Amino acid sequence: EPEVTQTPSHQVTQMGQEVILRCVPISNHLYFYWYRQILGQKVEFLVSFYNNEISEKSEIFDDQFSVERPDGSNFTLKIRSTKLEDSAMYFCASSGGEISPGELFFGEGSRLTVL
Amino acid sequence: RKEVEQDPGPFNVPEGATVAFNCTYSNSASQSFFWYRQDCRKEPKLLMSVYSSGNEDGRFTAQLNRASQYISLLIRDSKLSDSATYLCVVNGMDSSYKLIFGSGTRLLVRP
Repeated sequence: EPEVTQTPSHQVTQMGQEVILRCVPISNHLYFYWYRQILGQKVEFLVSFYNNEISEKSEIFDDQFSVERPDGSNFTLKIRSTKLEDSAMYFCASSGGEISPGELFFGEGSRLTVL
Repeated sequence: RKEVEQDPGPFNVPEGATVAFNCTYSNSASQSFFWYRQDCRKEPKLLMSVYSSGNEDGRFTAQLNRASQYISLLIRDSKLSDSATYLCVVNGMDSSYKLIFGSGTRLLVRP
């Protein structure tokens, strides 16, 4: 069964460092997303990406965040200068529909710990 | 008012019980509704979409009341493996692509 894969599964970094989280969406999907979940809190939308550009982003997704699809298969989330409050589980998701996004398939997540 | 509101629970029920979860949403323009399941420290997984006429998938029944902006999930004959957090999810105010998650209702099924 096709799946969304994410790396790394866990990253520990110092405050102020740059972090890149990587995702390989399901190969024929057209829509890509990043969500995050702070421990004990709800899943929060960060950004959606379609046709090689951001289609929507939340208030959380400020100038410290960026996304890229560098090579047609990977989808990355970069946090330029991490803050303590960026510690969370980051989920990548993809969906396939051409008319509407349809079901979102989530990766297993990348846990980011900022010290 | 929160965009998607759920009773956090936990609901602690014996195996075989029937349990119902409720959810309300604030945006009357939302068009897509889902129940996701999330196991501890795992990713959310789609349990079922929710259709206007209501729909059933085995032991799970979902209902939508657009007038009241209310969604429900009924689980019959609970299994130990049903223990998880159930997330009510609706599409966001601006478009269909952004999903808004509720905080989830935790279910514990005991032997």
